[in-house]
Amino acid sequence: QTVVTQEPSFSVSPGGTVTLTCGLSSGSVSTSYYPSWYQQTPGQAPRTLIYSTNTRSSGVPDRFSGSILENKAALTIAGAQADDESDYYCVLYMGSGIWVFGGGTKLTVL
Amino acid sequence: EVQLVESGGGLVQPGGSLRLSCAASGFTFSSFWMHWVRQGPGKGLVWVSRIKSDGSTTNYADSVKGRFTISRDNAKNTVFLQMNSLRGEDTAVYYCARAGVADSTAFDIWGQGTVVTVSS
Repeated sequence: QTVVTQEPSFSVSPGGTVTLTCGLSSGSVSTSYYPSWYQQTPGQAPRTLIYSTNTRSSGVPDRFSGSILENKAALTIAGAQADDESDYYCVLYMGSGIWVFGGGTKLTVL
Repeated sequence: EVQLVESGGGLVQPGGSLRLSCAASGFTFSSFWMHWVRQGPGKGLVWVSRIKSDGSTTNYADSVKGRFTISRDNAKNTVFLQMNSLRGEDTAVYYCARAGVADSTAFDIWGQGTVVTVSS
């Protein structure tokens, strides 16, 4: 069974830069998995941030960027702000009409 | 305004059934693949199912295969999730989501979710 891995939690100082990652329990993440990233605050629906590895969704500030780093998908947030404090989820397309989400990263800005 | 509105959630006993609906508006519904994603209490997002724009192709996560059925009515701009043989672990907020315009492997529009509780 494929497991998509994310850091359970991360902390960043206001104005700082943080990189969250999305890996596979077995193997490397590449653009062929079409990684996408979603932001979710408690009680709210997810918001799409990044799709196709590195394309920002409409209205997403350019402080958010996506990439592949060392065989993992990565979400970098530059100039972190208080309202970036959220849960962040990646999802990978495994092919054959199957998607697998990571467990999510709880980002704290303090 | 592009919008997805889920309904049909509620309390159901283990072994019971429930049918969720997701009404779409503000876009050409019949042109888009649609998904269901769920989130258990205090847990992460889990992809559940997908249906092609014309309803001809469906896919399911292993955890729901054989118990859940996704369908759609393009005349009513609505996607459904029929859930049978429900278990406690199916308790979750169920979101419908639209496959992306620019990247159909992503989810670009989400509904607000409907709560399903499976308990005796």
